[in-house]
Amino acid sequence: EAAVTQSPRNKVAVTGGKVTLSCNQTNNHNNMYWYRQDTGHGLRLIHYSYGAGSTEKGDIPDGYKASRPSQENFSLILELATPSQTSVYFCASGDENTLYFGAGTRLSVL
Amino acid sequence: QQQVRQSPQSLTVWEGGTTVLTCSYEDSTFNYFPWYQQFPGEGPALLISILSVSDKKEDGRFTTFFNKREKKLSLHIIDSQPGDSATYFCAARDQGGRALIFGTGTTVSVSP
Repeated sequence: EAAVTQSPRNKVAVTGGKVTLSCNQTNNHNNMYWYRQDTGHGLRLIHYSYGAGSTEKGDIPDGYKASRPSQENFSLILELATPSQTSVYFCASGDENTLYFGAGTRLSVL
Repeated sequence: QQQVRQSPQSLTVWEGGTTVLTCSYEDSTFNYFPWYQQFPGEGPALLISILSVSDKKEDGRFTTFFNKREKKLSLHIIDSQPGDSATYFCAARDQGGRALIFGTGTTVSVSP
């Protein structure tokens, strides 16, 4: 049973549209993270959270918002999607030393 | 700028051979260095990790080495198997770090 579940697994969006990526964890971890993975860049941190109600900016937050309504759920929101946001997005939960990743969401913005 | 640099971008090894991946970093406050393994279609998973107070950690066929003076670390996979074919990421965290900083990844292919 996957402890970090992302939905949807695949998404095609139009430029200028709103996209919401969802993440649910059953690890009871306080910390949750959103990364994007691109060839040549590895995994880059977008937003993270220390617990329900908290969101923090990562290294590349521009164009993204995050929401942590509960311990279990952490969403990534693209208010106005652009083609440059085409990527694979990974959610993770963890303690200070170990991250547990979901299976990823492949997003294409046309 | 990339805080954790990783090389090579990709490599191919023969089954039974030794795979060597390397990473370097600049920030001397980094004190924890995990390696993550990612199979196609999956998220990365922790493979092995080392603290800056150590210079070597071994787990089965996987060994990570840390050189504090040169700010470098490496991952060695001995007796490489086709099942080791994956992308490997090194990462780093400082003492007060908020999140892991990942390298660009190395895609390893092990040919039978």
